[in-house]
Amino acid sequence: EAQVTQNPRYLITVTGKKLTVTCSQNMNHEYMSWYRQDPGLGLRQIYYSMNVEVTDKGDVPEGYKVSRKEKRNFPLILESPSPNQTSLYFCASSLWGRGLTDTQYFGPGTRLTVL
Amino acid sequence: AQSVTQLDSQVPVFEEAPVELRCNYSSSVSVYLFWYVQYPNQGLQLLLKYLSGSTLVKGINGFEAEFNKSQTSFHLRKPSVHISDTAEYFCAVSDSEGAQKLVFGQGTRLTINP
Repeated sequence: EAQVTQNPRYLITVTGKKLTVTCSQNMNHEYMSWYRQDPGLGLRQIYYSMNVEVTDKGDVPEGYKVSRKEKRNFPLILESPSPNQTSLYFCASSLWGRGLTDTQYFGPGTRLTVL
Repeated sequence: AQSVTQLDSQVPVFEEAPVELRCNYSSSVSVYLFWYVQYPNQGLQLLLKYLSGSTLVKGINGFEAEFNKSQTSFHLRKPSVHISDTAEYFCAVSDSEGAQKLVFGQGTRLTINP
């Protein structure tokens, strides 16, 4: 089944404790992206990747890191989480990134709480 | 820069009634427009998209949207809603200049009452 998977689905952590949220897609998509969803703000892009070893900042990259060493994986790293990073996070992928005419396929989301 | 405004944060309607969810965008170049739906505790999935051609776009589950360039709008409609349409709906835009992202609106929560 074609899908985007994220792990963990739920995470409660404390300020400053490094964490990684994994994202994997099995559709051989070139483009992958991370969003955060906050009430009243919709989804905002954190980072995106056009292909392996090619990543770039979105609208809200502060406090986050990403890497794209393999085509299928795009982990999101919080080196020192803070309470303002409490949010619902979505990974998405699409076949191509340029112009973004392709459908984006979203993972099920990761709900992160930073105490 | 692109932006998207969804004019209603919540829309309550009765089952089998028609519904319209409003979306306005701003962009200085040609745009691609999308509606995504998020059912409770799930990720987003595509309802429909406008890339070019006919301004009336039909999507899944009986939804349709009309692209109006002069009014910079892309409103979503359904003639008769069901309980199962209860969800949050997001309008999104990307542009032809190759900006590598979707810009989302704030979302509209559609609640269907029996």
